[in-house]
Amino acid sequence: QITLKESGPTLVKPTQTLTLTCTFSGFSLSTSAVGVGWIRQPPGKALEWLALIYWDDDKRYSPSLQSRLSITKDTSKNQVVLTMTNMDPVDTATYYCAHFLDSSGYPFDYWGQGALVTVSS
Amino acid sequence: SYVLTQAPSVSVAPGKTARITCGGNNIGSKSVHWYHQKPGQAPVLVIYYDSDRPSGIPERFSGSNSGNTATLTINRVEAGDEADYYCQVWNSGSDHPVFGGGTKLTVL
Repeated sequence: QITLKESGPTLVKPTQTLTLTCTFSGFSLSTSAVGVGWIRQPPGKALEWLALIYWDDDKRYSPSLQSRLSITKDTSKNQVVLTMTNMDPVDTATYYCAHFLDSSGYPFDYWGQGALVTVSS
Repeated sequence: SYVLTQAPSVSVAPGKTARITCGGNNIGSKSVHWYHQKPGQAPVLVIYYDSDRPSGIPERFSGSNSGNTATLTINRVEAGDEADYYCQVWNSGSDHPVFGGGTKLTVL
């Protein structure tokens, strides 16, 4: 059974760096063709993809946010970490991590429950 | 970048058929996935690879994809189907996932 759970601060101040951790079970990021992505959703708005990391440490970032994002994995801890620098109130959102397979056009088939992050001074 | 267009809202009476569309340039050449999301909950995959249903998703949910439009069809709509629905594809040129803007399904 695959599960994912996001953790991190619920409140960050403008200009600070956000660090979110996705802790998962039921799969390993050292296994071929596995990946984890981060997606966020501002209150009342649509889903927005942020970043993803593959089993072989290949990484992809949203072009509009690339300069502010970093994604890493710790295979031994079954964790993926997303950092976002220079946070702004518009970055207030629920942040989700999700599992996918590195297979042609595979969906995000398992999602975490989400972590609400508020950016405010 | 690739853009997916969804109508903001669709309303349907219980027992009727709801059709939620997702428009994109030659989307028929891509694999489309659909998620529903109820308030306060994470998205849930309801259709993948245009028309496949994950286990646990009722047969009332189906999908199609051709030309510039993909469609999620929900037959015999129930009150419990009320949710936001999102389509998603992978932009093959950049290997990036793309989400549509979402459609709020209201059951009258």
